[in-house]
Amino acid sequence: GAVVSQHPSWVICKSGTSVKIECRSLDFQATTMFWYRQFPKQSLMLMATSNEGSKATYEQGVEKDKFLINHASLTLSTLTVTSAHPEDSSFYICSARDGEGSSPLHFGNGTRLTVT
Amino acid sequence: GQNIDQPTEMTATEGAIVQINCTYQTSGFNGLFWYQQHAGEAPTFLSYNVLDGLEEKGRFSSFLSRSKGYSYLLLKELQMKDSASYLCAVQDSNYQLIWGAGTKLIIKP
Repeated sequence: GAVVSQHPSWVICKSGTSVKIECRSLDFQATTMFWYRQFPKQSLMLMATSNEGSKATYEQGVEKDKFLINHASLTLSTLTVTSAHPEDSSFYICSARDGEGSSPLHFGNGTRLTVT
Repeated sequence: GQNIDQPTEMTATEGAIVQINCTYQTSGFNGLFWYQQHAGEAPTFLSYNVLDGLEEKGRFSSFLSRSKGYSYLLLKELQMKDSASYLCAVQDSNYQLIWGAGTKLIIKP
């Protein structure tokens, strides 16, 4: 089945630094990838939709200058958390479909970010 | 507005059957998904319903009634490893996924 690979699985960084998270579709091409954030005991919150070759679409309340998304190829999207602060500590998960509307989202394994 | 409702938490006994309900109000409907999420892990796909009726897949079944805006996930022969959160998600008319808050299922021996 379709596989989405996300790296790193976890990262600890100091406040003020930037962190890049990679999301790859391993056996299919993904023109669109989705970035989610999940706080403990809460549901998934869509942050942005990453579109190959064009600008990402951000959800309301998500700062595009803080969460930089690049989707340079059909198999790779990156999320960079810039100038991270402790309140950015969360579980970040990317996902992609390997088909149209009836195809399920396949999720990467997630990245647990801790900002100290 | 768009809304997905599912119980926050349920408890069941190993070997038993449990039904997790999901009701929704969305702008259009293009299918409903169920996902399983173990603590600290990403969600994994369980089922997809777009037409009314029951879809069976091993120990797991999912039911949909579009007229009632209702779905349920039925888990049979519960195992300890089924302890997880179960997420209901509906695709609206724009194929955007609307997520429920998830139901934490606790399995007791």
